[in-house]
Amino acid sequence: DTEVTQTPKHLVMGMTNKKSLKCEQHMGHRAMYWYKQKAKKPPELMFVYSYEKLSINESVPSRFSPECPNSSLLNLHLHALQPEDSALYLCASSQGPRSRGPYEQYFGPGTRLTVT
Amino acid sequence: AQSVAQPEDQVNVAEGNPLTVKCTYSVSGNPYLFWYVQYPNRGLQFLLKYITGDNLVKGSYGFEAEFNKSQTSFHLKKPSALVSDSALYFCAVRDWGYSGAGSYQLTFGKGTKLSVIP
Repeated sequence: DTEVTQTPKHLVMGMTNKKSLKCEQHMGHRAMYWYKQKAKKPPELMFVYSYEKLSINESVPSRFSPECPNSSLLNLHLHALQPEDSALYLCASSQGPRSRGPYEQYFGPGTRLTVT
Repeated sequence: AQSVAQPEDQVNVAEGNPLTVKCTYSVSGNPYLFWYVQYPNRGLQFLLKYITGDNLVKGSYGFEAEFNKSQTSFHLKKPSALVSDSALYFCAVRDWGYSGAGSYQLTFGKGTKLSVIP
């Protein structure tokens, strides 16, 4: 099973709201990722968790707050977002960097976020 | 620093004809190369990868890719295109060497939109 699930599929929120995106995988992967994707553009890496610890933060504004409660779950907490944050948010997972592979990332279907 | 170039924003091909989507890369060490496909309003689906070994890699849905080290290319191919292959295709690269937290970070090309015409 190579499935990564994400909830919700769609989210509309105001600039003063607090919401969370959720991601889950049961492939035993120890690296999990959040990406932001604008229409017809490649995914932009936001955060990487490796063995449940935040290992990469690509200078993402503090209104995005990631959390990795355990090796299967990844959350992205949203607060005081701006309209330009509207995008498709993708979660992905892969084997951790200490593994011998395989090395591909598996992506979830994404959450379509609209900030009004 | 690693980089990926997909020189074509769009590729149009007639159904039943062979298709090629081009990708060239630049890494400091040995490359790990990947192709992903994205259908509208969906996540990225893994198609195939090159790690080592045979230069011709076979993947999902009848796709294959040819690794060419001298030309630093990894072109995606399919012998006979289907209308259902119409989608956005991304090439990605990861440097082979382990250098800490960033070693498994993928660098994506800008994407190529493939349109298969009935």
